Amino acid sequence: EAGVTQFPSHSVIEKGQTVTLRCDPISGHDNLYWYRRVMGKEIKFLLHFVKESKQDESGMPNNRFLAERTGGTYSTLKVQPAELEDSGVYFCASSQVVAIRDTQYFGPGTRLTVL
Amino acid sequence: AQKITQTQPGMFVQEKEAVTLDCTYDTSDPSYGLFWYKQPSSGEMIFLIYQGSYDQQNATEGRYSLNFQKARKSANLVISASQLGDSAMYFCAMREGPNGGSQGNLIFGKGTKLSVKP
Repeated sequence: EAGVTQFPSHSVIEKGQTVTLRCDPISGHDNLYWYRRVMGKEIKFLLHFVKESKQDESGMPNNRFLAERTGGTYSTLKVQPAELEDSGVYFCASSQVVAIRDTQYFGPGTRLTVL
Repeated sequence: AQKITQTQPGMFVQEKEAVTLDCTYDTSDPSYGLFWYKQPSSGEMIFLIYQGSYDQQNATEGRYSLNFQKARKSANLVISASQLGDSAMYFCAMREGPNGGSQGNLIFGKGTKLSVKP
C-alpha cells in the first residue's frame, strides 16, 4: 500500500511568487493534516481536513495560505504571494480516524525556499 | 508555554549500546497520547511508538520502548542495541483529548539529533 506522497520534494521561488504544494494521503484515510517546520523550530500544525471539510485551520499563519481538498482525496496548499518567512519544510500526514491513539502517517515533506 | 520539551538537541551513542532520548510534556487534559517519530536524513517522518495516558504498561516496539512516568510527565524513548541506521532526528509529539486545546492535531518538540558511532 502506498504511503503519503507529496509533490514537489523541493521548490525554490522568489518572494512574491506563488507556489502550490500537493499531498496525496493514504487511500481510505479521511483525515489529512498539514504541518510546517521552519528551520530550527518545532513542527507546527497548520490545518486538518476531514474528507473535504476543514475541521481545524487554527494553525494557518495568514490569508496568504489557502488549502483545499476537493473530493476528499488529495489536498493542495497554495502560498500566494510567498514571503521569505514561508521557507521551511511542509509536511502532510493522514490518518483513518481522529482518536487519541490513531497514528498519523507522514509524507516526506516539501522543502520550500523563498528567496 | 512549551507543551513538549526535548532538552537534548544532540546525542551520541556507541553502536550496540542503549540510548535514552528525553521528552517531557505539559497538558491539563487527563486523556492524551504520546508519539515518537524518527526522521532520517532522507526527510520522511517514520512513526515509531505510541503511549496512551491510560495505558497501564509502557509501550514497546522491537528495539524501541517508552519509559512513561506519568507523575513526572515524561515519556522518554529508549533505543536498545543502537545501530548505525538509527542515526536520525527523533521527535516526541503529543495529541490531547477533547479537553485539550489542540483538537486532535499533534504537538511536537524541537527534536533530538541522534548520532550512532561505529
